[in-house]
Amino acid sequence: GEDVEQSLFLSVREGDSSVINCTYTDSSSTYLYWYKQEPGAGLQLLTYIFSNMDMKQDQRLTVLLNKKDKHLSLRIADTQTGDSAIYFCAESIRGYGGSQGNLIFGKGTKLSVKP
Amino acid sequence: DSGVTQTPKHLITATGQRVTLRCSPRSGDLSVYWYQQSLDQGLQFLIQYYNGEERAKGNILERFSAQQFPDLHSELNLSSLELGDSALYFCASSVAGTGTEAFFGQGTRLTVV
Repeated sequence: GEDVEQSLFLSVREGDSSVINCTYTDSSSTYLYWYKQEPGAGLQLLTYIFSNMDMKQDQRLTVLLNKKDKHLSLRIADTQTGDSAIYFCAESIRGYGGSQGNLIFGKGTKLSVKP
Repeated sequence: DSGVTQTPKHLITATGQRVTLRCSPRSGDLSVYWYQQSLDQGLQFLIQYYNGEERAKGNILERFSAQQFPDLHSELNLSSLELGDSALYFCASSVAGTGTEAFFGQGTRLTVV
């Protein structure tokens, strides 16, 4: 079945780069997403990548997609303490044509940024 | 602020009871999605409505039901509640049914005691 896996924790120092990794199973996923959840808050869409792209850059965020290995990563450059949050990788559910609302989420990676 | 409003923010109820969670989508959004976030299951897609009609169904229990009203707000009804239903319930909305960004509300935290 469809599944999204990601490591549960990542700790980095302020100013370093953070790399959060994710693997997914459904090769027919049209879009892959990264969401951020801060304590007590909802989910915020950070970025997404269309499945025919290898890379997408948006300011401090770089998404890399290796479709052959079904591996997605999110790199945050110059990580700040305000980046501390849980980051979720998600893929669109098979059969829903890439709808950005019908998603399968990973369990989330808790990023801790030490000053 | 995503523009998606969920009420109430917190809800505590007893086992066996029934509750209704409410979601007001962003202005102009036709699609509403419901998700459940629990410690053991993570974030799970429950159901989607588009312009009043059910569009997609995920891991939604038979004890749960939802609807979307003509003014596009949605309600998620949870009945015969069990301890395991304690979770954060998110609503999200998007303009259309496919290929568009979904915006999430802040969630309703349900505690069943």
